[in-house]
Parts: sequence; structure tokens; C-alpha cells
Amino acid sequence: DGGITQSPKYLFRKEGQNVTLSCEQNLNHDAMYWYRQDPGQGLRLIYYSQIVNDFQKGDIAEGYSVSREKKESFPLTVTSAQKNPTAFYLCASSSGGWGNQPQHFGDGTRLSIL
Amino acid sequence: GENVEQHPSTLSVQEGDSAVIKCTYSDSASNYFPWYKQELGKGPQLIIDIRSNVGEKKDQRIAVTLNKTAKHFSLHITETQPEDSAVYFCAASSSGGSNYKLTFGKGTLLTVNP
Repeated sequence: DGGITQSPKYLFRKEGQNVTLSCEQNLNHDAMYWYRQDPGQGLRLIYYSQIVNDFQKGDIAEGYSVSREKKESFPLTVTSAQKNPTAFYLCASSSGGWGNQPQHFGDGTRLSIL
Repeated sequence: GENVEQHPSTLSVQEGDSAVIKCTYSDSASNYFPWYKQELGKGPQLIIDIRSNVGEKKDQRIAVTLNKTAKHFSLHITETQPEDSAVYFCAASSSGGSNYKLTFGKGTLLTVNP
């Protein structure tokens, strides 16, 4: 079955540590996205990529970094510069990168601080 | 940029009743309006979407209406069932220019009581 796989499901970060969240899709989608979800909030865009080897900052990119070396993969690194990283992180993909195509989501990674 | 307001934030109905969730958007250039259902611990799942050239779309018990003049759109769920209980998000997107992203509402927690 085609879909988006996020791993791990739960992740804990120590002070001063960078952590990387994995996102893989086998939908052959060009565009991929990372969102952050906080309790009672909508989804806020961190980074997006419309094509391999290209990505743009979203609304809350500070303290995060991404890479897009393969079409199927879009890992997100939460750096030590992100002072409030505790949240639910969601990865999505779509067939087009114009924001007006259906986005398909993974089941998220919950990041907590030790 | 786009701003999406969603109401109500919580909604409780009896099984078999109808539920209506409303969203307003600010950018008149927005032309794609998806609705997502999110169950606890899962990623959002697209349940229905509508484009600005259509006023209404229906899929079994779910319907979405769009009023471009008033810049609002609504989700209607008829004959609600306990499994409809979840958080529902609306979103709006415009294409072209620099606005190629979805802007989400803050969500509505729907509870269907047996």
C-alpha cells in the first residue's frame, strides 16, 4: 500500500542535542511538507520541498533544518537552537507543490524533552 | 497572508443528529479548501475537498459548501455516528505567486454521544 511512514513514533531529546525525524513516502509525490502541531492549535508549516534538492522555509523554520536528496525522503532535524521543541510533528506529501493539491499525512512523531 | 478562522472549537451531538463546522478565510485568491479528520495519535486524513469553481460537494454523509462572496465554507455531517468523533480541520490555499501552502484552522473537536 502506498503511504507516508514517519519514524520514530516517540522521540526524546536531551538539552543541547540535535534529533532527526524520518519521513518516507512511496506515493511518487513531488512535494513534501513538515508541520508542527501543538495542543489546541492548527498545523503550522515548518519547511516544504516542491522537488528534489530544493526546499523553502515555512512559517516557523527557526531551529529546524531539512534536506531533500531523494524524492522519497524528507528528514527533519530539530536543532538545539529550537528552544521549545515539544510537539507533534507531521510530514505530508502531495502530487503537486502548489498547495492546492490534496496533502497526505503520516501518523506523526511526538517529540518530548528529557 | 491567508488567515483561517474555524468555529466552533468543540461540538457535541447525539448520534443520528447533524453536525456543522464553519470556516472563514481572508484571502480572496484562495481556491482550494480541504477538510481533514484527525483521530487521537494519528495524522490528519483528507475527508473531502472543494475548489472555488464549485459551490457544493457531497460524499455520502459528508458535504461541503462554499460561499466565495462571503469567504466562508462549511462541513456538514449527517446521521452522525460515534466513529465520527475526532478533531476536524479546515484549510485554505491559493495557488500561484508566493502563496503555495495550506493555511489550517485551529480545529473542532466533535464528540458524538451514543
